[in-house]
Amino acid sequence: GAGVSQSPSNKVTEKGKDVELRCDPISGHTALYWYRQRLGQGLEFLIYFQGNSAPDKSGLPSDRFSAERTGESVSTLTIQRTQQEDSAVYLCASSLSRGSNEQFFGPGTRLTVL
Amino acid sequence: SQQGEEDPQALSIQEGENATMNCSYKTSINNLQWYRQNSGRGLVHLILIRSNEREKHSGRLRVTLDTSKKSSSLLITASRAADTASYFCATETRGGKLIFGQGTELSVKP
Repeated sequence: GAGVSQSPSNKVTEKGKDVELRCDPISGHTALYWYRQRLGQGLEFLIYFQGNSAPDKSGLPSDRFSAERTGESVSTLTIQRTQQEDSAVYLCASSLSRGSNEQFFGPGTRLTVL
Repeated sequence: SQQGEEDPQALSIQEGENATMNCSYKTSINNLQWYRQNSGRGLVHLILIRSNEREKHSGRLRVTLDTSKKSSSLLITASRAADTASYFCATETRGGKLIFGQGTELSVKP
């Protein structure tokens, strides 16, 4: 079956513009995660969705970052008024449910803010 | 705060040698997972070890977990050039969140 997909694969934008990144999780996976990875660094947790529960937004770095998920399907991560420090690869992952399950990662979106 | 920290940051070995990577963490965990990443894109899950397990094997991979020392190791035996990648440990906390370390960059020379 299809894995986790993300779009776009690459995004170049100008400082101050808004960007929207999309993630399509594996069908049937109730848990969805967004991470940020700066060059040469580890993964930084951003936000987590589990079914219809309130999302865990504890990793969002500022109020410029927001994410939505429709039911147990597509999720979008929105970054408003982008800054150069937002340049990174944004990775999405899904898993069957919260806890003790492996996460399946998408290929990521490489965001470059000029 | 940093949960998982890998050691070494970079490792270079010859094909056929064994590669050992270590991970330390700070808080109580449900499980610890190891992932592999090629070319800075998507990660691939390698192995999961639960907090009540001490050792686990999968093919050429051997993972150990010492909860008293809050540490884990990943051993890749008989390494191949194709094993060249970054390897990350990730700890699942009691709250269900997965926290990744900074990774070990492994280079296997043919």
